[in-house]
Amino acid sequence: GAVVSQHPSWVICKSGTSVKIECRSLDFQATTMFWYRQFPKQSLMLMATSNEGSKATYEQGVEKDKFLINHASLTLSTLTVTSAHPEDSSFYICSARDRRQGPEKLFFGSGTQLSVL
Amino acid sequence: GENVEQHPSTLSVQEGDSAVIKCTYSDSASNYFPWYKQELGKGPQLIIDIRSNVGEKKDQRIAVTLNKTAKHFSLHITETQPEDSAVYFCAAVARTDSWGKLQFGAGTQVVVTP
Repeated sequence: GAVVSQHPSWVICKSGTSVKIECRSLDFQATTMFWYRQFPKQSLMLMATSNEGSKATYEQGVEKDKFLINHASLTLSTLTVTSAHPEDSSFYICSARDRRQGPEKLFFGSGTQLSVL
Repeated sequence: GENVEQHPSTLSVQEGDSAVIKCTYSDSASNYFPWYKQELGKGPQLIIDIRSNVGEKKDQRIAVTLNKTAKHFSLHITETQPEDSAVYFCAAVARTDSWGKLQFGAGTQVVVTP
C-alpha cells in the first residue's frame, strides 16, 4: 500500500502550549488529506479534510481555531493543536488517498499520541 | 448520514479457528467497504476492501462478503494466528461527486490465544 508518514509518534506538552503534527505522503501526491482523532478503545472520528492550496473543511463540533490545518504542498499537511489543554490529549491520525491504487483507498499514518499535562 | 454498526465488540478465538466480524450500514448509496486492522499504538492498516458490484473477495486467509440487499458485510479470518490479534474496523463510504468520508464501525477487539 501507499506510505503515509506521520511525525512525531508521540509528544508531551504543557497546558497552554501549541503542538504541530506533520503528515507526509512519501511516494505519492495527495491533494486531500484527512485528520482523525481517536480516544482509547474508541473508533476513529474525522476532524477535518485538508485540501492542498485551500482552506480545510472541518467537521461539525471541531474548532478550527483550536486545530489549525495547513496543506501547503501535495505531500505535506500539518495539524497544529493550539493552546493545548488536557482534554486535547488523544491519538491523532492522518490519512490520504493514493489515486494510483484506486480513488477510494484510504491509507493511514502511524498516528501521534498527544499528552497534555 | 451513514451509520455503521459492528459486532461483536470483542472476539476471542483459539489459534487455528476462524473469526467472523459483521457490520451493517444504513445508507444504500454506500458502495465501498474497507476493513482496517489496528495494532496498539499504531495507525489503521487497510487489509481488504470490497466494492458494491462484488459479492465476495478473498486474499489468502482473509475474505470479505457483501450483501447489498440486507446492507451488511462481513470479515472472515481463517486459520487465525496470534499475530491476527488486533482491533478491526469496518467502514463504509458513498461516492458522491468525489469519494466522501469514511464512516467507521466501533471496532472489534480480536484476541487469538495459542
